[in-house]
Amino acid sequence: EVVMTQFPATLSVSPGETATLSCRASQSVSRNVVWYQKKPGQAPRLLISRASTRATGIPVRFSGSGSGTDFTLTISSLQSEDFAVYYCQQCNNWPPTFGQGTRLEVK
Amino acid sequence: QVQLVQSGAEVKRPGSSVKVSCKASGGIFSNYAFSWVRQAPGQGLEWMGAIIPLINKADYVQKFQGRLTITADESTTTAYMELSSLRSEDTAMYFCGARYGSDNYYILAFWGQGTQVTVSS
Repeated sequence: EVVMTQFPATLSVSPGETATLSCRASQSVSRNVVWYQKKPGQAPRLLISRASTRATGIPVRFSGSGSGTDFTLTISSLQSEDFAVYYCQQCNNWPPTFGQGTRLEVK
Repeated sequence: QVQLVQSGAEVKRPGSSVKVSCKASGGIFSNYAFSWVRQAPGQGLEWMGAIIPLINKADYVQKFQGRLTITADESTTTAYMELSSLRSEDTAMYFCGARYGSDNYYILAFWGQGTQVTVSS
């Protein structure tokens, strides 16, 4: 199965600044990568599909990029509600697989 | 407006089975593809399996083969996840997620609220 590796495991950023989260696949997954936001006690929330397409209702400060094996989620002008855990997921091969998550915390 | 509502929390004994439901509303059932994802305490998200009701095809992550059964009932617009031979490591929050429409089956735009399953003697 495709292993998704996210880094860093924890990212400390101040509100108003920009966070850059990375995800690497163990083999090419084309652009078939999805990003979710996960908060405690809540279901995951789809942010980005196909590496760079924002889901319905997602603010423009969330952007994704990448293809092949290397992907990035960028969150600009961080708001208080953005501090959460973020997961990448590949949907190119069965089984779909998640990265282990990046915890975005307030600096 | 697509909405998924899951059944309530369960407490089970080791060796028993649990069946969690996920009722879909707000769309045409044949346009859904359902997946089940779990999160153990302090851990990340883990894909378990998926079902495409239109073709009645279920696929399972190898780790769960033989213990996991995913079904879908169009008459009640409900997907089900049944996990057998439960052990303490199966204690987790279980989520159903769904694709609705024509996108990749495994892009989960819609989610249930989660069902806590606790396995304890």
